[in-house]
Amino acid sequence: GAVVSQHPSWVICKSGTSVKIECRSLDFQATTMFWYRQFPKQSLMLMATSNEGSKATYEQGVEKDKFLINHASLTLSTLTVTSAHPEDSSFYICSARDRHPSSGSQPQHFGDGTRLSIL
Amino acid sequence: QKEVEQNSGPLSVPEGAIASLNCTYSDRGSQSFFWYRQYSGKSPELIMFIYSNGDKEDGRFTAQLNKASQYVSLLIRDSQPSDSATYLCAVKRNQAGTALIFGKGTTLSVSS
Repeated sequence: GAVVSQHPSWVICKSGTSVKIECRSLDFQATTMFWYRQFPKQSLMLMATSNEGSKATYEQGVEKDKFLINHASLTLSTLTVTSAHPEDSSFYICSARDRHPSSGSQPQHFGDGTRLSIL
Repeated sequence: QKEVEQNSGPLSVPEGAIASLNCTYSDRGSQSFFWYRQYSGKSPELIMFIYSNGDKEDGRFTAQLNKASQYVSLLIRDSQPSDSATYLCAVKRNQAGTALIFGKGTTLSVSS
């Protein structure tokens, strides 16, 4: 149980393109989803917290107009990297928090990540 | 000061040895602490978490928490080459919130 599907797993596109990444909780409802970014040999950096039906909360230094987050349902959050440039190339990982977690369950369930390469 | 700090390593141990990974955190109010393992190009996977002072054991893994020192550690007994990965320490940001703040990770290499 507690599967998070992230799509696509790998994207290569030209500079200036906008890229949408989907994060779906397949067998549970997620009122909160998180978006992380990881550069090579670096840690996961929290970009934003996405709450269903409300605006996302962005971490300091993350441009909200650059990284558009939509959490329209309890099972889907999307991250759109607008006008992507080579410096946006990174590993993007989403995670989801179960609306009804069972006792002792982990706090977040991670997707498999999306590797974004901007040429 | 970074919220969660780890020595990036690499930490090299021979097969069968005990690997000791360490983590310090800055927010004294932190309540929950997590260890994740991440293989190259993959998402992190949870190994174990700990809430209270003392030790928590799960198979070959033991997590230790010292709140007074703001220090968390992970011991891996009988290390195997398959344990070679990056180990990420994470702290739940605060009691009300749910965001996890990760350390940079320690790379562990277990040689056969």
